[in-house]
Amino acid sequence: DQQVKQNSPSLSVQEGRISILNCDYTNSMFDYFLWYKKYPAEGPTFLISISSIKDKNEDGRFTVFLNKSAKHLSLHIVPSQPGDSAVYFCAAYHCDVAGNQFYFGTGTSLTVIP
Amino acid sequence: EPEVTQTPSHQVTQMGQEVILRCVPISNHLYFYWYRQILGQKVEFLVSFYNNEISEKSEIFDDQFSVERPDGSNFTLKIRSTKLEDSAMYFCASDTTRSYNEQFFGPGTRLTVL
Repeated sequence: DQQVKQNSPSLSVQEGRISILNCDYTNSMFDYFLWYKKYPAEGPTFLISISSIKDKNEDGRFTVFLNKSAKHLSLHIVPSQPGDSAVYFCAAYHCDVAGNQFYFGTGTSLTVIP
Repeated sequence: EPEVTQTPSHQVTQMGQEVILRCVPISNHLYFYWYRQILGQKVEFLVSFYNNEISEKSEIFDDQFSVERPDGSNFTLKIRSTKLEDSAMYFCASDTTRSYNEQFFGPGTRLTVL
């Protein structure tokens, strides 16, 4: 079952413009949402997270927005830089009696064109 | 900067053979994780490990999988009898807390089962 979905497998953006990566989820019990960035031949790198009680978290050029009613979150990168070209994974987890349940999306490959 | 390391980078094995994937987490981290990514698919959580025991595991982590921290520095994933569908990238991660927010990932081991 796909509890976390990234429906766009790829995205191309001009350098300096905004990149918007989207993620949808089905489980309203998720406590935290995270974005990871992955370069080829490397492991994922944590980028930014947001608690389910917030609707926005900003860190430099990266901002994550959470719309709980729509079960949707997005990552905004502005301005986009060529070094941002990577695969971006959305992830979510929640804690219950069974422990932490953690789910990744399928990833969106971002290409920033110089 | 401290990093998570994994060996080997690529492991080729015959179906039915046992494999052990090795990870050296960051030295002051307490929580350890294994994930896998089948080529072209999403990253999947396998197991988390704390205080020398499994904290959480996914339904993928069945009886053919086991984890161990044999000597206080290595963290291993053993697959007892490999199947073709076990072919994937396996990522190890470690963290100081259980929150998933600050996980550091290793570069991965590509397992190919023939």
